[in-house]
Amino acid sequence: DAGVTQSPTHLIKTRGQQVTLRCSPISGHKSVSWYQQVLGQGPQFIFQYYEKEERGRGNFPDRFSARQFPNYSSELNVNALLLGDSALYLCASSSGEGSMDTQYFGPGTRLTVL
Amino acid sequence: GENVEQHPSTLSVQEGDSAVIKCTYSDSASNYFPWYKQELGKRPQLIIDIRSNVGEKKDQRIAVTLNKTAKHFSLHITETQPEDSAVYFCAASTRGGSYIPTFGRGTSLIVHP
Repeated sequence: DAGVTQSPTHLIKTRGQQVTLRCSPISGHKSVSWYQQVLGQGPQFIFQYYEKEERGRGNFPDRFSARQFPNYSSELNVNALLLGDSALYLCASSSGEGSMDTQYFGPGTRLTVL
Repeated sequence: GENVEQHPSTLSVQEGDSAVIKCTYSDSASNYFPWYKQELGKRPQLIIDIRSNVGEKKDQRIAVTLNKTAKHFSLHITETQPEDSAVYFCAASTRGGSYIPTFGRGTSLIVHP
C-alpha cells in the first residue's frame, strides 16, 4: 500500500530560476494539498486541488502555481525563485470527500535557493 | 481566517513523565482537530485526531481533549519514552467550500532517558 510520494527529494536552484515539484497521492485519494514548511514552523497552506479543480489557495504570491492531472497527481511550480523560497515543500493527500477529511503527508521536497 | 496558537514551543520531560501540549483556535466553525508528529527530517505523521462532536479521545498512551466553548484542545502523552521525542503540530480545520487545516507553530518535545 503505497503512501504519498514526492519528487525530487532534494533540489538546489539559484535565484530567478523556476522549479517544478511533483506529488502522487495515495491510491483512491482525489485531493492534493501543497504546504511550505520553513524550519521551526508549522506547514503553511499553499494550494488544494480536488478533482482537478482548485479548491483553496493560501496567501502566497502569483509566482506559485499548481495543477492536478486526471490521475490525481499534482505539480507545484514556483517561478522567479527567491532566497526566501528555500523550505521543505510538503504534499498531502486526502479523499476529498466527507466533512472531516484526514490529510496524509508525503516525505517532502527540500528546496534550497542560492 | 483561522488562527491556531500552540504552547509551549519547547517541552522537556524525564522518561516516564506526562507531557501536555495545548492549542487554541479562533474560528468557532472549526470542527476537526488533528495532531501530527514530525521527527527530524521526516514527514508529519497523523497520531490522533478529534471531531467536534467528541470531547475526548484516547489511543494507548495518547489522548486528546477538546473544549469547543473555550476553543482549545490539548494533547496528552503519558509514560513518555525517548522515542516520543519529536516536534508535535496541532491543526484546526473548517469544512466550507474547501477543507484546509491551519497548523500551529509546533512543540519540540524532548524526553530525557
